[in-house]
Amino acid sequence: EPEVTQTPSHQVTQMGQEVILRCVPISNHLYFYWYRQILGQKVEFLVSFYNNEISEKSEIFDDQFSVERPDGSNFTLKIRSTKLEDSAMYFCASERDYEQYFGPGTRLTVT
Amino acid sequence: AQSVTQPDIHITVSEGASLELRCNYSYGATPYLFWYVQSPGQGLQLLLKYFSGDTLVQGIKGFEAEFKRSQSSFNLRKPSVHWSDAAEYFCAVGAWSGGSNYKLTFGKGTLLTVNP
Repeated sequence: EPEVTQTPSHQVTQMGQEVILRCVPISNHLYFYWYRQILGQKVEFLVSFYNNEISEKSEIFDDQFSVERPDGSNFTLKIRSTKLEDSAMYFCASERDYEQYFGPGTRLTVT
Repeated sequence: AQSVTQPDIHITVSEGASLELRCNYSYGATPYLFWYVQSPGQGLQLLLKYFSGDTLVQGIKGFEAEFKRSQSSFNLRKPSVHWSDAAEYFCAVGAWSGGSNYKLTFGKGTLLTVNP
């Protein structure tokens, strides 16, 4: 069964560094999302992406964040200058017919 | 804006007992409703969904959920819990904002512990 994959599973970085989180969505899906879950809190929407552009972004998704689909298969989330409060689990999801399928997540730890 | 409330942070049941996890939502129209399960260290797995039609929906792993419009609820049930059901369960609403922008809004989750 097709699944969403994410790499790396765990990323440790120093404050101020750039990180790129990678996702490979399910191949025939057209809508892609990033969500994050800070430890002990709810899963929250960051950004949606369709037809090679952002459809919607939350207020969390400020200028430090960017997304792209560079090659038709990967979907990446970049955080340009990480802050301590960016430490969280980041989930990628792809969607077909309003059903979203999630990857296993990348745990980002900012020190 | 839509919201989801899961009133129970942590529930403990004995193996073989029945289970009901509560979920209430707030949205101006009938939303799409989902239950996801997250095992430790794992991603979110879709258990079941409700879009329209029959208000009792069946999902994987023997779970079912009932949509009650009058109560704005979508409670998850299982008649007999197995030890492998221990996990965190998230209710989510799929809804639109700005006309065509669709996203999921999650509840805070309910952690299920299963005693042998």
